[in-house]
Amino acid sequence: QLQLEESGPGLVKPSETLALSCNVSGDSISSGSSSWGWVRQPPGKGLEWIGSIFSTETAYYNPSLKSRVIISVDTSKNSLSLRLKSVTATDTAVYYCARHLVAAAAPILVDHWGQGTLVTVSS
Amino acid sequence: SYVLTQPPSLSVAAGQTASITCAGDNIESYSVHWYLQRPGQAPVLVIHYDSDRPSGIPERFSGSNSGNTATLTISKVEAGDEADYYCQVWEGGSDHSIVFGTGTRVAVL
Repeated sequence: QLQLEESGPGLVKPSETLALSCNVSGDSISSGSSSWGWVRQPPGKGLEWIGSIFSTETAYYNPSLKSRVIISVDTSKNSLSLRLKSVTATDTAVYYCARHLVAAAAPILVDHWGQGTLVTVSS
Repeated sequence: SYVLTQPPSLSVAAGQTASITCAGDNIESYSVHWYLQRPGQAPVLVIHYDSDRPSGIPERFSGSNSGNTATLTISKVEAGDEADYYCQVWEGGSDHSIVFGTGTRVAVL
């Protein structure tokens, strides 16, 4: 049974870097049959795709966040990470780890979600 | 980037049919996927590739896509269908972006 478990600080100060990890069990990141990434949801608002990465380390990002985001994978730990720099209050959100279905070497949709972790940006 | 617009809310009586729309420019040229999100929970995929149901999703959920509008239809609505619903497409291009709709809150009366 696939499980995605997010972890990281629940509180980050403005201008600092948000860093989250996602531990994957029940599937292998290195299998290459899926891509892995992150989706966020500000409180009371809709879903926003952040980005996705393949085991080859090829990554794709939301153009609106691209300049601040890095997603990386650690195949030895079967995990992925998110780093979002220079955060502001507008980055406050529930961050979901997400497995993506892939077609033609592109992430197409999210077929499995973690439970999400709330990150608040505040001094 | 591509914009997907959904009505903010929809109310439907139990046992009736709910139709949730997702508007986008020439959306029929995209494959549309739908998610439901119950309060306090992660989203769940209910329709992929316009009209296909993932394993475990009831036949009451169906989808269509034509022109500038994609539609998720829930027949014989139940209290447990009360949730937020989001459409989504893969925009493609060099960024291979995934785009979500604005979301629709469905209330069951």
